[in-house]
Amino acid sequence: DAGITQSPRHKVTETGTPVTLRCHQTENHRYMYWYRQDPGHGLRLIHYSYGVKDTDKGEVSDGYSVSRSKTEDFLLTLESATSSQTSVYFCAIRGQGGTGELFFGEGSRLTVL
Amino acid sequence: AQSVTQLGSHVSVSEGALVLLRCNYSSSVPPYLFWYVQYPNQGLQLLLKYTSAATLVKGINGFEAEFKKSETSFHLTKPSAHMSDAAEYFCAVSDSGIQGAQKLVFGQGTRLTINP
Repeated sequence: DAGITQSPRHKVTETGTPVTLRCHQTENHRYMYWYRQDPGHGLRLIHYSYGVKDTDKGEVSDGYSVSRSKTEDFLLTLESATSSQTSVYFCAIRGQGGTGELFFGEGSRLTVL
Repeated sequence: AQSVTQLGSHVSVSEGALVLLRCNYSSSVPPYLFWYVQYPNQGLQLLLKYTSAATLVKGINGFEAEFKKSETSFHLTKPSAHMSDAAEYFCAVSDSGIQGAQKLVFGQGTRLTINP
């Protein structure tokens, strides 16, 4: 158990509304990541963080912003949700070893109507 | 940029048969490679990883994978499939990020079905 909690686990919202997903970790990991999972695409990186207030874009960052004001929390925001952002979102933390494996949360299923 | 291709979005085998899930990677530097498994409505669980220590890597649940540099492959195998192996499997390669943040680039996934 990597001590990762995602909230909410399920959310249905309407096009144009803002949405924030939260990832909380309990083990003081430096690196945190947000991925989205879609059929036929595997997992694609949205944003990642390499420290408090330090973030960088991933492969599919358009339409998303992130914030990390403290080590344990990494927030993903959709400023104005669109139907193309209907997906399952996974938060991950990087393991303490130097080989880069990630440990994932249980996911947040977002439906944008 | 690193990339991963998984050959076959669906693989179906009989219980007790050999499982072979294929993964080819593209990397400009010696890679770290990973296989993850995802059971329905769950997150991803690390099955095994290649970190250059040994080309044949053993993982959990009887799975293993062999790193073949000449073929740029990292195929996942299991000698005898169990019903509990039914899941989606993802191959991933590491990619460098800012200040040591290693990102993972995933393949498209292979859904494994086990027939009784």
